[in-house]
Amino acid sequence: EVQLVESGGGLVQPGGSLRLSCAASGFTVSSNYMSWVRQAPGKGLEWVSIIYRDGSTYYAGSVKGRFTISRDNSKNTLYLQTSSLRAEDTAVYYCVREPGTDWGRGTLVTVSS
Amino acid sequence: QSVLTQPPSASGAPGQRVTISCSGSSSNIGSNTINWYQQLPGTAPKLLIYSNNQRPSGVPDRFSGSKSGTSASLAISGLQSEDEADYYCAAWDVSLNGWVFGGGTKLTLL
Repeated sequence: EVQLVESGGGLVQPGGSLRLSCAASGFTVSSNYMSWVRQAPGKGLEWVSIIYRDGSTYYAGSVKGRFTISRDNSKNTLYLQTSSLRAEDTAVYYCVREPGTDWGRGTLVTVSS
Repeated sequence: QSVLTQPPSASGAPGQRVTISCSGSSSNIGSNTINWYQQLPGTAPKLLIYSNNQRPSGVPDRFSGSKSGTSASLAISGLQSEDEADYYCAAWDVSLNGWVFGGGTKLTLL
């Protein structure tokens, strides 16, 4: 059974950083395209970043230069390193196995002073 | 402002059929297939339709999708109470090199 479990969210001050993790089971992260998608409170879905099987990465314009997607093949885990966080980054962050087949339950990031 | 355009709300009586539209451009819907997601209150989105009109295992055939040019639609027939949810369309955008989503449509049963 495929499972995606996100962790690492929390309350952080503007300008701060957080590393989000997504532990996968039931499949191999490195053999799949994997994305992060976020949802601000009461708002719609916003794609954040993707990592391809070959390790290529792409980012939404709103996070480019501030967020970094990566994976640890030995731990079968996907990461999202966030930095220079802003209030508008407040959202539930979902880990997604492409093409949207499987989603985790999400982890909430709140950026506030 | 979402890249893909969906109506913010839709409604229908139990047993009726409802359609939700999704409009995009040549760089997204016009170039790639579309996915539809269902999000029940307080839960993560669930893939409902992929590759324009394919249903993942376990999705009832009451749900169907279609695409024409730069627009797509999701149809739900035989509405049931458990269909009350938010529905999102999504497509890969070749210009942005990323997924783009619609703003979501809240389906309400009358």
